[in-house]
Amino acid sequence: QVHLVESGGGVVQPGGSLRLSCAASGFTFSSFGMHWVRQAPGKGPQWVTFIRFDGNNKFYADSVKGRFTISRDNSKNTLYLQMNSLRAEDTAVYYCTKDRAVQGAIPYYFDYWGQGALVTVSS
Amino acid sequence: QSVLTQPPSVSAAPGQKVTISCSGSSSNIGNNYVSWYQQLPGTAPKLLIYENNKRPSGIPDRFSGSKSGTSATLGITGLQTGDEADYYCGAWDSSLSALSYVFGNGTKVTVL
Repeated sequence: QVHLVESGGGVVQPGGSLRLSCAASGFTFSSFGMHWVRQAPGKGPQWVTFIRFDGNNKFYADSVKGRFTISRDNSKNTLYLQMNSLRAEDTAVYYCTKDRAVQGAIPYYFDYWGQGALVTVSS
Repeated sequence: QSVLTQPPSVSAAPGQKVTISCSGSSSNIGNNYVSWYQQLPGTAPKLLIYENNKRPSGIPDRFSGSKSGTSATLGITGLQTGDEADYYCGAWDSSLSALSYVFGNGTKVTVL
């Protein structure tokens, strides 16, 4: 059974940094691309970033490009999101999601979601 | 403002049917697969429909999806109280210089 568990959320001041982690289990982590999707309070989901199964290709939403970095450690079955220069509008629940395609070169869709980690950017 | 447009809410009595529309453009729905996600209160979204009309294992056939041109539709038949949730459509968008995934603004389903 696929299990995705996010951690590292919290309260941070504007301009600050935070790193989220996502521990994956129940599937061959190194064979699947992974995403981060966020959801601001009372709003719909917003895709943030994708990393290919081998870490060799990454895509970012324009709103986070240059500030956020996605990475993965396939030896630890863990996905990361380094968030720098945080803004109030980055406040959201951040979900780690698994991509459907096996060793896909490009992203496909999100077939499993974690329970989310809340990030609050406030002074 | 979402790239994909959905009605804010739909409602029906138990056992009835509801449909949710999702309108986009040629850069997203018109040339890419549509997925639908169900978000029950206080939980993470869950995949309901992929590749326009396919259901993952475990999703009952009361849920169906279709696509025509730049629009997609989610149908729910035999409505149950447990279906009360927010529903989101989504698709990849290739209109900008980079690839991005876009979601609809969401539709709240209420069982009367």
